[in-house]
Amino acid sequence: ETGVTQSPTHLIKTRGQQVTLRCSSQSGHNTVSWYQQALGQGPQFIFQYYREEENGRGNFPPRFSGLQFPNYSSELNVNALELDDSALYLCASSPPGQNYGYTFGSGTRLTVV
Amino acid sequence: EDQVTQSPEALRLQEGESSSLNCSYTVSGLRGLFWYRQDPGKGPEFLFTLYSAGEEKEKERLKATLTKKESFLHITAPKPEDSATYLCAVQAPRNDKIIFGKGTRLHILP
Repeated sequence: ETGVTQSPTHLIKTRGQQVTLRCSSQSGHNTVSWYQQALGQGPQFIFQYYREEENGRGNFPPRFSGLQFPNYSSELNVNALELDDSALYLCASSPPGQNYGYTFGSGTRLTVV
Repeated sequence: EDQVTQSPEALRLQEGESSSLNCSYTVSGLRGLFWYRQDPGKGPEFLFTLYSAGEEKEKERLKATLTKKESFLHITAPKPEDSATYLCAVQAPRNDKIIFGKGTRLHILP
């Protein structure tokens, strides 16, 4: 059973709206990253946080932003939603140290209409 | 540009028919190569991390190997429950960015 919990599981939003997706990581996992996965594609890296600071970003516009909190939870915020933002959004966390495999949550399915 | 290419896109095998999935990568200064399994509607499930050429790891019917340019996921005598999408990903030194391939959809027929 995964130690990473995401909410909500499904969400429908209207184009132009804003959305906040939430992730609760395993205790001690101070690295969290967010991914966007379109249907039939591999996950695309959005950004990564380490100890509440963004330390890596993929090719996503600034309307994608995030926060990481001291209690190992994090948020992904998307402003001015576009139809192409419809996807599965995945959160993954990793413990400190070397390159351990990231533990993924089950994702939030976002549909923009 | 850092890139991960997986082949084939889809693979159908009979139960017990062994095969291999390929992951080719181009990345400067590989920090790690990961294999994940993903079932429909779920997040990826971690399988292996490989760090250097020549390294091999095994788990049940799966064995992952790594060279300087590619990785293979060998599946021996697969069962229907091995049906899933298998994702390969690499971690680059720049920003610790993890780059995924598009995956191989594996279907094992009983």
